[in-house]
Amino acid sequence: DFQMTQSPSSLSASVGDRVTITCRASQDISIFLAWYQQRPGTVPKLLIYGPSTLHSGVPSRFSGGGFGTDFTLTISSLQPEDVGTYYCVKYNGPPLTFGGGTKVEIK
Amino acid sequence: EVRLVESGGALVQPGRSLTLSCTASGFTFGDFVMSWFRQAPGKGPEWIGFIVSSASGGTVEYAASVRGRFSISRDDSAAIAYLDMSNLKEEDSGMYYCTRALGQQVGSWYFAYWGQGTRVTVSS
Repeated sequence: DFQMTQSPSSLSASVGDRVTITCRASQDISIFLAWYQQRPGTVPKLLIYGPSTLHSGVPSRFSGGGFGTDFTLTISSLQPEDVGTYYCVKYNGPPLTFGGGTKVEIK
Repeated sequence: EVRLVESGGALVQPGRSLTLSCTASGFTFGDFVMSWFRQAPGKGPEWIGFIVSSASGGTVEYAASVRGRFSISRDDSAAIAYLDMSNLKEEDSGMYYCTRALGQQVGSWYFAYWGQGTRVTVSS
């Protein structure tokens, strides 16, 4: 079965810190990776796709990169409103498969 | 403004059927891939399936966990997407979301627009 493995599963960082989340695909997915943010009690929100294109309205402190099997989501300066869970998802073809999520908290 | 409103969620017994609807507005519905996701309490999102635009053939794809039990369809004239669910199991419980792909390009299966969801509870 195809798997997307995210790490870490949770992190706690201070406001202003640089935060990096990684996502590893079990097979080559080229550039077909997206990242979603889900704040507590809200609907998932598309942040990045392709895997470095910021969706409209997403702050520039978010960036994404990678190719093939290894991808990253970076928040250059963590803000209080960034608290939530982040998911990677591969979309090179069905099935669309999510990573297990990374819960981000403020220290 | 893109708007997606799900309806039809309910408490149902295992083995029963249920149909969810997604009423769309604010865009040309027939031009976009529509997809359903679900999320169990405390868990991450799970892709259920999608239906491509009618112009692209209206192909439907499903996750293995629902294939043969769930069916996705669309009524472009009414701007409604449907999720027909049969032989429901307790593990099908969760919030069900209707979503729209960001772009119209084939293969752009990243979904930027989400409804607020409708809750399905499968329990005896």
